[in-house]
Amino acid sequence: DTGVSQNPRHKITKRGQNVTFRCDPISEHNRLYWYRQTLGQGPEFLTYFQNEAQLEKSRLLSDRFSAERPKGSFSTLEIQRTEQGDSAMYLCASSLVPAGLANEKLFFGSGTQLSVL
Amino acid sequence: AQRVTQPEKLLSVFKGAPVELKCNYSYSGSPELFWYVQYSRQRLQLLLRHISRESIKGFTADLNKGETSFHLKKPFAQEEDSAMYYCALSSGGGADGLTFGKGTHLIIQP
Repeated sequence: DTGVSQNPRHKITKRGQNVTFRCDPISEHNRLYWYRQTLGQGPEFLTYFQNEAQLEKSRLLSDRFSAERPKGSFSTLEIQRTEQGDSAMYLCASSLVPAGLANEKLFFGSGTQLSVL
Repeated sequence: AQRVTQPEKLLSVFKGAPVELKCNYSYSGSPELFWYVQYSRQRLQLLLRHISRESIKGFTADLNKGETSFHLKKPFAQEEDSAMYYCALSSGGGADGLTFGKGTHLIIQP
């Protein structure tokens, strides 16, 4: 499968623990996005990278959340001191966008389902 | 702030009937509008975008700036169209995230 890959598929954790998710985008894609989706809602934008640079962060991304894309390839999303409200599906998406052009077609991964007990 | 509204959480129609999934948006500039679809047990994927003016799987959508709408239409529904449909908006002109609506669950009855 050459699509966007996310690991793990499911994560169950206790409140207060730290969790880290990984996203491997389609190999030549320069943009990588993180979204969060809760039941009955559409995906909500969290942050995105252009290569290794994190260019935008949503106000939804509290200081307990941090994302990295150190070499412009895979990305990690870490949540520190998890809370029950963090329970959601975390989606990663990637795209190939020529410099200076607008957002293009996003390719989504299957997501990581986080449950905080 | 930009916002996308999909007024119907659930839409059920019979096979062969016309389908219209409503989408209204709020944005002061010139948006780019998209429809994404998620079939059962599959990933979210792009269905169509207004700038392409394309018809995908028999679906079309026209951007109406006067009514700030981007409704998705298909003249004759098929059972395989059953899925979650999300309307999404991008402010365009640079890099930012998509703003999604809450989605409409379309069920095509045989």
